[in-house]
Amino acid sequence: QVHLVQSGPEVKKPGASVKVSCKTSGYTFTRYSFSWVRQAPGQGLEWLGWVNPYDGHTNYAHKFQDRINLTTDTSTSTAYMEMKSLKSGDTAVYYCARDTRTTLGMSRLDYWGLGTLVTVSS
Amino acid sequence: DIQMTQSPSSLSASVGDRVTITCRASQSISSYLNWYQQKPGRAPKVLIYAASGLHTGVPSRFTGSGSGTDFTLTITSLQPEDFATYYCQQTYSTLSTFGRGTKLEIK
Repeated sequence: QVHLVQSGPEVKKPGASVKVSCKTSGYTFTRYSFSWVRQAPGQGLEWLGWVNPYDGHTNYAHKFQDRINLTTDTSTSTAYMEMKSLKSGDTAVYYCARDTRTTLGMSRLDYWGLGTLVTVSS
Repeated sequence: DIQMTQSPSSLSASVGDRVTITCRASQSISSYLNWYQQKPGRAPKVLIYAASGLHTGVPSRFTGSGSGTDFTLTITSLQPEDFATYYCQQTYSTLSTFGRGTKLEIK
């Protein structure tokens, strides 16, 4: 079975950085891209960006492009999301999700991690 | 960025009812539209992909339709486990975006 296992909760001070991991198993890591999505307390889903483990190509939401870095490690089948210059408004659950595409290139997020709570507080 | 507008933001219904949730894109997105269900404290689950494709294992009471800018998710014969929040997502742009969600509550 496909599994995405995320790292544990983090508490950071404003201005700090955080790196969340997403270790995968049960499929060929380089065949699928990842999206990262966050959800602030009581709020909706917010797409952060996308990374392709095959070639390392990334796309970032405009809102985060200066502060976020998505990477992958093919040797351990793990995806990473690093965000710097954290603010209180970055407090949220951060999800990794596998991106599956149809033959026409239409994507959907078919497997999700359980989420990692990142709390930013002084 | 492409904006996704969902309506209503909340909805009350009873078991056995038929409900429809709509999603409108700020520009044409062809059929690059997914629907997700999320329950409290859980990760979202994909229901519908490419506007009308039923994801593996999803009950047939969930149907999606639409293309261009206007899309709908219909749930026929609501079951107790269907009370949740539903989100649309466009993947037409390389910068994906979600709608704000529709909370479906028990009447």
